Amino acid sequence: RKEVEQDPGPFNVPEGATVAFNCTYSNSASQSFFWYRQDCRKEPKLLMSVYSSGNEDGRFTAQLNRASQYISLLIRDSKLSDSATYLCVVNMGPVMDTGRRALTFGSGTRLQVQP
Amino acid sequence: DTEVTQTPKHLVMGMTNKKSLKCEQHMGHRAMYWYKQKAKKPPELMFVYSYEKLSINESVPSRFSPECPNSSLLNLHLHALQPEDSALYLCASSQDRPKEEGYTFGSGTRLTVV
Repeated sequence: RKEVEQDPGPFNVPEGATVAFNCTYSNSASQSFFWYRQDCRKEPKLLMSVYSSGNEDGRFTAQLNRASQYISLLIRDSKLSDSATYLCVVNMGPVMDTGRRALTFGSGTRLQVQP
Repeated sequence: DTEVTQTPKHLVMGMTNKKSLKCEQHMGHRAMYWYKQKAKKPPELMFVYSYEKLSINESVPSRFSPECPNSSLLNLHLHALQPEDSALYLCASSQDRPKEEGYTFGSGTRLTVV
């Protein structure tokens, strides 16, 4: 079983649509959760952290369900510029000297917003 | 503009060459990372430096040799690479706080081994 699992997509949606991505993770002790966005041939960029209470940033809403070990990202009113790969990221990697775990990336979900 | 700077952006090297990738950050981050990313795959952790000491080596072959000269710089020395080592090499940095705040990535070095 993959440590961080995502549907690879692609999700092809029209402009203005609402789209949701899901992610599951295998380590119940994980404490930090993020969504990153990666454009083609570019570096990953932090989109938002995911908090237990759920959080929103403009058109983006992230939720965490610890009991089910499940993270989601909802994008409302999709724009053409939202087309990218969305990476689910969890601190499940090896333990550093400071006691924190390195981040582990899911394989990403590709979104294509069409005019 | 990214706050983590990587050079060079592109590198083509032969299997007998020795080259180095460089990474620099001035955000005061005390943890720095090397990740390798193949096409259509997620980034995979290679090395972690924490407070300028090598903290994690994810069983990376010795033809990759990391170095952290100071808290702002991270190098990756390359020697006798194979064509399958061709990939995007990403450097990242982060704060060292109990609650992880996510990494800042550089724009990467796209490496081709011929």
